[in-house]
Formats: sequence, C-alpha cells, structure tokens
Amino acid sequence: GAGVSQSPRYKVTKRGQDVALRCDPISGHVSLYWYRQALGQGPEFLTYFNYEAQQDKSGLPNDRFSAERPEGSISTLTIQRTEQRDSAMYRCASSLIDRGDEQFFGPGTRLTVL
Amino acid sequence: DAKTTQPNSMESNEEEPVHLPCNHSTISGTDYIHWYRQLPSQGPEYVIHGLTSNVNNRMASLAIAEDRKSSTLILHRATLRDAAVYYCILRDVAGNQFYFGTGTSLTVIP
Repeated sequence: GAGVSQSPRYKVTKRGQDVALRCDPISGHVSLYWYRQALGQGPEFLTYFNYEAQQDKSGLPNDRFSAERPEGSISTLTIQRTEQRDSAMYRCASSLIDRGDEQFFGPGTRLTVL
Repeated sequence: DAKTTQPNSMESNEEEPVHLPCNHSTISGTDYIHWYRQLPSQGPEYVIHGLTSNVNNRMASLAIAEDRKSSTLILHRATLRDAAVYYCILRDVAGNQFYFGTGTSLTVIP
C-alpha cells in the first residue's frame, strides 16, 4: 500500500519567506509526527498529533514554527520568516495507534534557506 | 528520557552476524528499548523493540541484559542492504517522543 508521502521533496527559499511543508500519512493512521534532521544527526522531534488534535508541540524551536492537521489526515508544517538556520531535512511519520512503537517515515522535504 | 550510548561506527563482513551494542545505564523500569535504522537517503525504519525479554522478528533479534542497562541488536547474516545508521532509543511507556541520538553507522564489507 501507499506509504507516507511528503511534498515538496525539495524547497529552496529566500530568508524571510514563509514555507509550508505537507505530509500525507498512511490512511487510517491515528498519530502523525514531525521531525527535523540535520546532516549527520538523528531526527529531532518537533510535534505530534492524534487525529486533528496537537498533543505535544514541545519540540517546535520557536513561534515561527507551527503545524496543523485540521481533518485528522494531511498535515502542514509552516515556517514563517525563514532563517538560514532552518535549513534541514523535515521528516513526517505516522503510526497506526497513539504513540505506536512502529512509526512509518516519509521521504522528507529538504529545505534550503538562502 | 534516559540516554543511550552507541559506538559511532562498526564494520561487518557480508553474510556474517553483527552485534550492535547499546548502553543505557540510567534506564527506568517503564522505558522500552527501540531500534530503528536509516538507510542512505531514506527515512528511518522500525527494526524491533522490547522491554525485558529477548525479542526476535524477521529482521533481527534484540538481546536485553538482565539488569537492562545494555542491549544488543543482532543481525544474523549481514547483507549489503543492511548498511545503515542504527539508532537505539529509549521511550517511556507513556511517552510520545523518540530521541534518536547519532546512532551507529554500520558498514558491510562484501
């Protein structure tokens, strides 16, 4: 079946612009997670949802970062007024159940802020 | 969440078993031990997890020390496709975050 998909796969933007990254989880999965991964590092937790409810946003670096999942399926991670330090791979994952042990990861969006 | 310590890198010959160690001396009684791996240019994928008893699945085996302060991921016959970064992660039973760390980069030599 279809896995987790993310779009765009690559995004290049100029400093100060807003970007929206999309995640389409596996159909029927309850939980959706956002991570950020720097080169040579493991993924870093940002936030997660159960259905449409944001359960934990403690990993969001600052108030320029926000996420939503309005209908409990597709999610959008928005970064406002991007800065060069926001450049990274942004990964989305989903799990069948709340806090499932097996998270399925998408291919990621490579964000480059010039 | 308790921290884990893994070697930065390991090498293995193809078709030989690989033992990937992980130390977690501050593990709590409600922490599960998870292993994920990340192949080059891909997202992480689940490998195995356990609490106290050793676990086996189609991908690997997880051996957990009796005092739970360490564990070992065992790949029974390494293939070239097993070359990846392997992450050992602790997560409390009520927790929702995985802390991946930097993992062990496994090189498989043909």
